[in-house]
Amino acid sequence: AQSVAQPEDQVNVAEGNPLTVKCTYSVSGNPYLFWYVQYPNRGLQFLLKYITGDNLVKGSYGFEAEFNKSQTSFHLKKPSALVSDSALYFCAVRDLTGFQKLVFGTGTRLLVSP
Amino acid sequence: NAGVTQTPKFQVLKTGQSMTLQCAQDMNHEYMSWYRQDPGMGLRLIHYSVGAGITDQGEVPNGYNVSRSTTEDFPLRLLSAAPSQTSVYFCASSYSSSTAGNEQFFGPGTRLTVL
Repeated sequence: AQSVAQPEDQVNVAEGNPLTVKCTYSVSGNPYLFWYVQYPNRGLQFLLKYITGDNLVKGSYGFEAEFNKSQTSFHLKKPSALVSDSALYFCAVRDLTGFQKLVFGTGTRLLVSP
Repeated sequence: NAGVTQTPKFQVLKTGQSMTLQCAQDMNHEYMSWYRQDPGMGLRLIHYSVGAGITDQGEVPNGYNVSRSTTEDFPLRLLSAAPSQTSVYFCASSYSSSTAGNEQFFGPGTRLTVL
């Protein structure tokens, strides 16, 4: 079965520093990977996705993610964190049983301090 | 476009009561789905629909019913509420049911408490 793991419940970073939120995956076949962000009391918003092609994917709000097939990872990165980036981040993978079905990780809370 | 809308925002039920969570989208999306979000568990798929008249079960369907009579609406019914159904419920939609890789658009959520 498809799955993703987010090994960190929380990531703390100072404003202006680079940030990384980790995600590893386990899939059969080619992975379709996604990152979503959830701000407090809001629904999830799409950030970026990897389907095929370049291993470095650029997304919304200055975020990017690096797909690494050998390490089965899809880490979310940003060169310079903002306090407004503080939110809950979810990694997800397409489930093989349905084109649009997603399997989500447990989420990582990012806290950016001023 | 309003996107994906959900009502109500908050709801408190007593054990055994029934209710319907409403979800609507105005983007003419084929695919719609319901998730529940619980602390430490991420989002889990309850039911989904690949088009009007077609629904199927997700990972945690027990205690919930859905129907899709129109493209726009996808209500979730709790038949007899239980405390284990206390959660935040999200409706989501995406453009196509038959191609992978489309991002999903999420509603703002309904916070449900069952006493």
